[in-house]
Amino acid sequence: GQSLEQPSEVTAVEGAIVQINCTYQTSGFYGLSWYQQHDGGAPTFLSYNALDGLEETGRFSSFLSRSDSYGYLLLQELQMKDSASYFCAVLTGANNLFFGTGTRLTVIP
Amino acid sequence: ETGVTQTPRHLVMGMTNKKSLKCEQHLGHNAMYWYKQSAKKPLELMFVYSLEERVENNSVPSRFSPECPNSSHLFLHLHTLQPEDSALYLCASSQDGLGGNTGELFFGEGSRLTVL
Repeated sequence: GQSLEQPSEVTAVEGAIVQINCTYQTSGFYGLSWYQQHDGGAPTFLSYNALDGLEETGRFSSFLSRSDSYGYLLLQELQMKDSASYFCAVLTGANNLFFGTGTRLTVIP
Repeated sequence: ETGVTQTPRHLVMGMTNKKSLKCEQHLGHNAMYWYKQSAKKPLELMFVYSLEERVENNSVPSRFSPECPNSSHLFLHLHTLQPEDSALYLCASSQDGLGGNTGELFFGEGSRLTVL
């Protein structure tokens, strides 16, 4: 079967840095995506890693290690508006994006 | 309108009803998707249409029937559903089947379905 594992909940302080890990076991692998979803809202795309290494986009960075079947999302200078659910997702085929169960991030003052 | 829009946003139906969910994308994409989101579960891919042809059907029960009349519209026809089908149904679109392998989908805000 296919599985993605990520922590169910994370709490961090405003202004701090938080890392959300994702490990995967899938039958195919093209790349790892991250999505953000606020309560009642649509999932929105954050990043995609097809190759090993770190990709940085503003306050958010995403890392991938294909050999370890592992990636993480790094959020810096946390803001209250970053409180949301974060999903990792593996592109296992041309049209198949397989999602994890999500990590609920709570940012506290 | 921009992005991906879904209607209705909320739907309550009995097990014997027939209803449809509608999705429209205004992004010029050529692939559209239906996902199911239930509490404590991952988003589950139900159907994928690329260039208006269905390319994925992940063992979804026949009480769910998709329709893609053109590249901008996607429907999910519902009939004789079960209470466990209550969930948020998300529509998404992408270009060239997942953005040319960039893993980027554009989601609508979903249709919250409750089956009584």
